[in-house]
Amino acid sequence: KQEVTQIPAALSVPEGENLVLNCSFTDSAIYNLQWFRQDPGKGLTSLLLIQSSQREQTSGRLNASLDKSSGRSTLYIAASQPGDSATYLCAVGNSGYSTLTFGKGTMLLVSP
Amino acid sequence: DAGVIQSPRHEVTEMGQEVTLRCKPISGHNSLFWYRQTMMRGLELLIYFNNNVPIDDSGMPEDRFSAKMPNASFSTLKIQPSEPRDSAVYFCASSFRQGGPTQYFGPGTRLTVL
Repeated sequence: KQEVTQIPAALSVPEGENLVLNCSFTDSAIYNLQWFRQDPGKGLTSLLLIQSSQREQTSGRLNASLDKSSGRSTLYIAASQPGDSATYLCAVGNSGYSTLTFGKGTMLLVSP
Repeated sequence: DAGVIQSPRHEVTEMGQEVTLRCKPISGHNSLFWYRQTMMRGLELLIYFNNNVPIDDSGMPEDRFSAKMPNASFSTLKIQPSEPRDSAVYFCASSFRQGGPTQYFGPGTRLTVL
C-alpha cells in the first residue's frame, strides 16, 4: 500500500526566503505526482503535476522535482510571500484511473 | 465555469441521524471522487466513479456509508446512521479522464456529528 510522508509538518519563514518542502513515497511505481495548495476552509488547488517520466516542472516561483527511484519529490518556492501561506499537499497518482494517495501536508506561514 | 459545487457547506447533526452530502461535478468531467479529510488521517479517497459507474469503493469505511451517481451531473454520499467519528471535511473532486489526471476539488462539506 502506497504511503506518502511530508516533512516538515509545519514551517514558518520570513517573507523573501527561498524554501523547500519535502515529500517521500514508499512505492516507486507511480504514474505521476502532484502538488496541491489548500487554504483554510477551502478545497484543494492543483499547483504542479509531474508525470513519472519527467524530472521537474516549473510554474512561476514554484519548481517541483521528482526522483522516482529514491521515492522523493521536493517543492521549491522562491522569494516567498505572505500570500503563499497555506497548506501544501503532495499526492501520488497510483494508476491509470488517476486515484491519488495524499500526504498529510506541510502548513506554511510566511510572515511579512 | 462554476467549478465543483458541494452542499451543504456545513452540517451539524446528532448521532444516529442520516446525513446526505451532495456534489455537482464540473460539466463535461467523467470522473468523480469522494474524499474525507481529518487531522489524524489526512485526506483519504472513499470512492470514485468513472462515467457514473463506481470503480473502487474500497476506501468506504463501513456499510453505513453509501454513494451514488445517478447521472453525470450529480452525486451523493450518504451516512446512515451517523456517528461522532464520522466528523470530518468531505470533499468531492472531478476530472476529465482523457484530459489528464488533474482533479478539481469542491470547497468541501464540514460535518459535525454530536
